[in-house]
Amino acid sequence: AQSVAQPEDQVNVAEGNPLTVKCTYSVSGNPYLFWYVQYPNRGLQFLLKYITGDNLVKGSYGFEAEFNKSQTSFHLKKPSALVSDSALYFCAVRDSTGGGNKLTFGTGTQLKVEL
Amino acid sequence: DADVTQTPRNRITKTGKRIMLECSQTKGHDRMYWYRQDPGLGLRLIYYSFDVKDINKGEISDGYSVSRQAQAKFSLSLESAIPNQTALYFCATSPEGITDTQYFGPGTRLTVL
Repeated sequence: AQSVAQPEDQVNVAEGNPLTVKCTYSVSGNPYLFWYVQYPNRGLQFLLKYITGDNLVKGSYGFEAEFNKSQTSFHLKKPSALVSDSALYFCAVRDSTGGGNKLTFGTGTQLKVEL
Repeated sequence: DADVTQTPRNRITKTGKRIMLECSQTKGHDRMYWYRQDPGLGLRLIYYSFDVKDINKGEISDGYSVSRQAQAKFSLSLESAIPNQTALYFCATSPEGITDTQYFGPGTRLTVL
């Protein structure tokens, strides 16, 4: 079975500082990993994904994520946070073997960027 | 994403009522999904459909049913709503590939009194 863990319910960071939102996963085969962002009263928006290749993936709005196979992690990062980055972030995983193309989501991490 | 629309956006209903949530997409995708979001639980899959004739239960299908009226339309029904079904409901679509991204609608906030 595939699963995702986001260990932090909330992350607080000052504007201009780097941010990290953590995600770890468990799959039987190879992982296909995704990050989504949800702004208030909006649906989920795709940020980036890792399928294969370079472990550092770059996505929308200056976000990037680093795939680490040995630590089974896919942490979301941004070098300099903006107040407008404040939102709910979801990590998701799909197993390359079985799973019926289903996407499993983490519980979400609320990011709060303060002035 | 404006390519995926959901109606209604908000709904308040009473226990025992039948409710239908509708989803339409203009992305031309074959695959459509219904999720519910609860605080602290993330998104959980209710039902998914890989084409008009292929409908599958997700992890929390009890109390729900779906109808895929066309490639572009996927409806979720609560036959007899209960307060435990108060949640934010999202529809999503995707192409066929296992690495493809899912695209989400704006959500329907359902309150069952």
